[in-house]
Amino acid sequence: SQQGEEDPQALSIQEGENATMNCSYKTSINNLQWYRQNSGRGLVHLILIRSNEREKHSGRLRVTLDTSKKSSSLLITASRAADTASYFCATRGNTPLVFGKGTRLSVIA
Amino acid sequence: GAGVSQSPSNKVTEKGKDVELRCDPISGHTALYWYRQSLGQGLEFLIYFQGNSAPDKSGLPSDRFSAERTGGSVSTLTIQRTQQEDSAVYLCASSLRAGGLNEQFFGPGTRLTVL
Repeated sequence: SQQGEEDPQALSIQEGENATMNCSYKTSINNLQWYRQNSGRGLVHLILIRSNEREKHSGRLRVTLDTSKKSSSLLITASRAADTASYFCATRGNTPLVFGKGTRLSVIA
Repeated sequence: GAGVSQSPSNKVTEKGKDVELRCDPISGHTALYWYRQSLGQGLEFLIYFQGNSAPDKSGLPSDRFSAERTGGSVSTLTIQRTQQEDSAVYLCASSLRAGGLNEQFFGPGTRLTVL
C-alpha cells in the first residue's frame, strides 16, 4: 500500500516562480526522500531528510519535515522549464521505500 | 555504463504468455529492488534483494510473479500467465546497501503491455 500522498496532484507555474509540493504519510519513518521522474521512466534521487532533521537544502531545493504532523514539503525556487517532471516523496521505515502517487509539475516558459 | 540498465525497454505480449524482465544493477551494489508503476500512479514495491539474504517478497501481487538474482548481480523478474492488469512500467533500482540512508539508483524501466 502507498503511504506517502503528495499534494497537489498537479501544479502549473510560470518560469521563475517557486513551486511547493507537500507530502503526508501515515506511520513513523526513519527518513523521507524526494525523487523526480521525467517522462514516466527512471527516477532520480533529489534529497533525503532524516527523521531527526527539520529542514534541508540542496541547490534550489528546500525540504522540510514535520514528524508531529507526518508531513514534508519540497520547495523548488526560481523554477525553470527543465524542472517540469513528476515529483514523488518516498518514506523509509522498517521496509523498503514506499512511494506516493506524485505531483506533476509543469513549468511554463 | 555506470548506471542501472534494464531490458527490454518495451515488451508487448499476449494475455496468458510468460515474460522475463532483466535488470543489471550498478556494479558493487548489494541491494536490488523491483517496483511497478501503473499509468499515472506512484511506484508499487514488489521485491528486494540484499546480498545473500533471502529476498523480501512482501510486495509481489500474486504467485504469478517471481524474481531471482543470480550471483548477487543480474536480476530477472518473471511474470507467468500475464494478465492485462499486469501492464505497467517495471522499474529496477539498486543501492550500495539496503539501509535506509542509501540512495536508490533507478533504471529506465521496462514498459510492459499485455494485449
